[in-house]
Amino acid sequence: ELKVEQNPLFLSMQEGKNYTIYCNYSTTSDRLYWYRQDPGKSLESLFVLLSNGAVKQEGRLMASLDTKARLSTLHITAAVHDLSATYFCAVDNEEEGGADGLTFGKGTHLIIQP
Amino acid sequence: DAGVIQSPRHEVTEMGQEVTLRCKPISGHNSLFWYRQTMMRGLELLIYFNNNVPIDDSGMPEDRFSAKMPNASFSTLKIQPSEPRDSAVYFCASRSRENYGYTFGSGTRLTVV
Repeated sequence: ELKVEQNPLFLSMQEGKNYTIYCNYSTTSDRLYWYRQDPGKSLESLFVLLSNGAVKQEGRLMASLDTKARLSTLHITAAVHDLSATYFCAVDNEEEGGADGLTFGKGTHLIIQP
Repeated sequence: DAGVIQSPRHEVTEMGQEVTLRCKPISGHNSLFWYRQTMMRGLELLIYFNNNVPIDDSGMPEDRFSAKMPNASFSTLKIQPSEPRDSAVYFCASRSRENYGYTFGSGTRLTVV
């Protein structure tokens, strides 16, 4: 069974600080997704990482993928209040040879305080 | 592109009633997925379709749940009879094979009382 583990699950940080969210997974998949969800809203796609060593950046967020370590990171630089949300990583099941679709981590609830 | 469209946005129903959730995927996307989100269990894949054909429904919790995709632009998820433990947010997502991206709809918040 494919497992996706995020840590931390809860994070409270101050504006201007840097922090990293970690996502470990149990498969050999090389397709890793990051989503953002605001309260009561849908899942907004942030990054799609499709190969080992992939790095993508958008504004203050940067995501990377190490398929050998089965690890992805989401790094937040100089956090601002608007980044407060829940962040999910997800792994594509297809690489496992099983059912298609995404398996999600439990999410990291991020609060950024002024 | 209007994205993935789900209806209704909110549904409140009494236990035992039939509930039908609807989804219109992005035009040209050939895969459609139904997910359920709860605080306790997080995001769970219920069923998915490729080219309108159900491929794997092993995530469907019980026989009370059924899903159909009669054509490339429409899918339904039906719960009959509904129970309070079915209360959750149900998301539909579609995917294009070309870019591997999954796009989620706005979700249907279901409350069964």
